[in-house]
Amino acid sequence: LAKTTQPISMDSYEGQEVNITCSHNNIATNDYITWYQQFPSQGPRFIIQGYKTKVTNEVASLFIPADRKSSTLSLPRVSLSDTAVYYCLVYNYGQNFVFGPGTRLSVLP
Amino acid sequence: NAGVTQTPKFQVLKTGQSMTLQCAQDMNHEYMSWYRQDPGMGLRLIHYSVGAGITDQGEVPNGYNVSRSTTEDFPLRLLSAAPSQTSVYFCASSRGERGYTFGSGTRLTVV
Repeated sequence: LAKTTQPISMDSYEGQEVNITCSHNNIATNDYITWYQQFPSQGPRFIIQGYKTKVTNEVASLFIPADRKSSTLSLPRVSLSDTAVYYCLVYNYGQNFVFGPGTRLSVLP
Repeated sequence: NAGVTQTPKFQVLKTGQSMTLQCAQDMNHEYMSWYRQDPGMGLRLIHYSVGAGITDQGEVPNGYNVSRSTTEDFPLRLLSAAPSQTSVYFCASSRGERGYTFGSGTRLTVV
């Protein structure tokens, strides 16, 4: 399973765009990149998943360069409720997730 | 559609006691997993199953047993509780192509 590296923590202010970059140098051809969000006392929640280029949904965008060795989760105009831990995971269908410590995002007023 | 349901939500055990954490999903997912999360840490895989009747060990399996007699249920059994097993336990299920859906967790304290 590919390992990922992401910043341990980030601070932002309400209304700003937040970009969290994840490094996955050993990603395999069949691997997908997925991001999860976890609030205190809750289970992780799926945010977005992609394989290459750009994916956008109602809550975030995911940018993946051509070499796929990194990816960037973009959260537009964050609010206080976006304060959470964000996990970057690389996996192939049917494989288990291997969680790192994630990125603890603090959104300040 | 309830998703992944875990019971109980909270539990306090004495050292040496045994108990079973329940996990059920109603999405007909083949894959199910158990994770534990210690304070300030990421999730670590305990056991997983790729279908009814098939289970395998994850990263931290010692002290835990699992069984998968049906597609819907994946109970986690603590054989003889120890303080080191104090943690939050999450069950997750997946159809494979869309990642995992997690339950809300069971907070276990072993005294």
